[in-house]
Amino acid sequence: DAGVIQSPRHEVTEMGQEVTLRCKPISGHNSLFWYRQTMMRGLELLIYFNNNVPIDDSGMPEDRFSAKMPNASFSTLKIQPSEPRDSAVYFCASSFTGGQNIQYFGAGTRLSVL
Amino acid sequence: AQTVTQSQPEMSVQEAETVTLSCTYDTSESNYYLFWYKQPPSRQMILVIRQEAYKQQNATENRFSVNFQKAAKSFSLKISDSQLGDTAMYFCAFMTHAGNMLTFGGGTRLMVKP
Repeated sequence: DAGVIQSPRHEVTEMGQEVTLRCKPISGHNSLFWYRQTMMRGLELLIYFNNNVPIDDSGMPEDRFSAKMPNASFSTLKIQPSEPRDSAVYFCASSFTGGQNIQYFGAGTRLSVL
Repeated sequence: AQTVTQSQPEMSVQEAETVTLSCTYDTSESNYYLFWYKQPPSRQMILVIRQEAYKQQNATENRFSVNFQKAAKSFSLKISDSQLGDTAMYFCAFMTHAGNMLTFGGGTRLMVKP
């Protein structure tokens, strides 16, 4: 299996622009997670989906952030408009709920908002 | 809410020696999972080891083993015969048995010296 695939690997944008991060989970997994990693706050869960349905979005920082999972093999995290404080590494992870509950992570997207 | 604390921000060890990374957590749950993840400079999050709280036997994966002390809410990671490739950030993480979300500690940066 190819593992969790995230794109792009790096993203540099200017303040005010829309940013879309993409994730393809491992085939057969039914849960998907978006995390943000910063030096100040460490690893934070933003949102998680189960069977394509958002279950907990309490970690989404504000309305500028939105996430969708239109099908079992694709999810997006969108920031509109972006701000410099959104600069971070964003990880996507997937797992099979009911199994060992092990979350497998993608390689992350490093976002820089100038 | 659960909290995870890693009290050692940085550690170093000589190649081939043994090192132990500390982790404590706080929860009122009786059944849960604990994990150690490794994040090398490539930033990929890699699962090192997993422990189920109801199992008394400590988990082991090759050179990696844990000392799980449920009453003390302690979950330390021992790395034997340290290798240069073990240089990375190590994160301890907690998941409730009923839930699906990981709570991470702040991480320990491990440097293996030749």
